[in-house]
Amino acid sequence: DAGITQSPRHKVTETGTPVTLRCHQTENHRYMYWYRQDPGHGLRLIHYSYGVKDTDKGEVSDGYSVSRSKTEDFLLTLESATSSQTSVYFCAITPAALGEQYFGPGTRLTVT
Amino acid sequence: DQQVKQNSPSLSVQEGRISILNCDYTNSMFDYFLWYKKYPAEGPTFLISISSIKDKNEDGRFTVFLNKSAKHLSLHIVPSQPGDSAVYFCAASVEGAQKLVFGQGTRLTINP
Repeated sequence: DAGITQSPRHKVTETGTPVTLRCHQTENHRYMYWYRQDPGHGLRLIHYSYGVKDTDKGEVSDGYSVSRSKTEDFLLTLESATSSQTSVYFCAITPAALGEQYFGPGTRLTVT
Repeated sequence: DQQVKQNSPSLSVQEGRISILNCDYTNSMFDYFLWYKKYPAEGPTFLISISSIKDKNEDGRFTVFLNKSAKHLSLHIVPSQPGDSAVYFCAASVEGAQKLVFGQGTRLTINP
C-alpha cells in the first residue's frame, strides 16, 4: 500500500469556521490531489499539486485553498465552512502525471 | 458537463457469473482510462487501466475493453465473487493533463 495518511479521519464543525485537512505521504511522489466524493457525483477534483509550492485548481475549487510547503504534505483549507462542503475528502498521490493514483483512507467532514 | 458517465448507479450479479460495468465519455482527447474499486470507509484502489492504443487489457479475472469510436469502455469480471461487491469508478485522462476525470460510480453487488 502507498504510504499515504489523512488527518483527521472524521470532523464535525460549524458553519463559518475554518477547517484544515492534512494529507501526508512517505512515497516522495511529485503529484498530490484533493478530491471530494458525493452521492451521484463520484470523485471530483478540488485542487492538485505538481510540486512544492506548485498548485492548480480542479473542477470544484470554489471555497477551498491548498498549500504544499514540502513534498510530503498537502493541506486543504476551507476558509469558512458551509453545509455544502459536507462530504468525504480523499487525497491521492502519483509519481507521474499519467498513471494510476493512490488514494488515502479519506476524511469524513460534516458541517452543521 | 459530465465528461465521464456511468449510467448505471447499481448492478446486481449472481456469484460465478460475469459482471459487466459500463462507462461512456464525451471528450475525444482522452487517451488513458482506469478502473478503481472502492469499499465502504476506504479510499479507492486501482484495478486496471488501458491506453487508447489498445482495445483490450486483461488482468486475471478483470478485463477492460475500449471502443474508441463509440467512446465507451467496459469492465468485465469473470467469475464474479462476493469480495467483488464494491463501488466501481471509471476514470479518464489526457496525456500531459496531470489529472483524472471520474465517473459517478456503479455499485456492484454479488449475490451468493
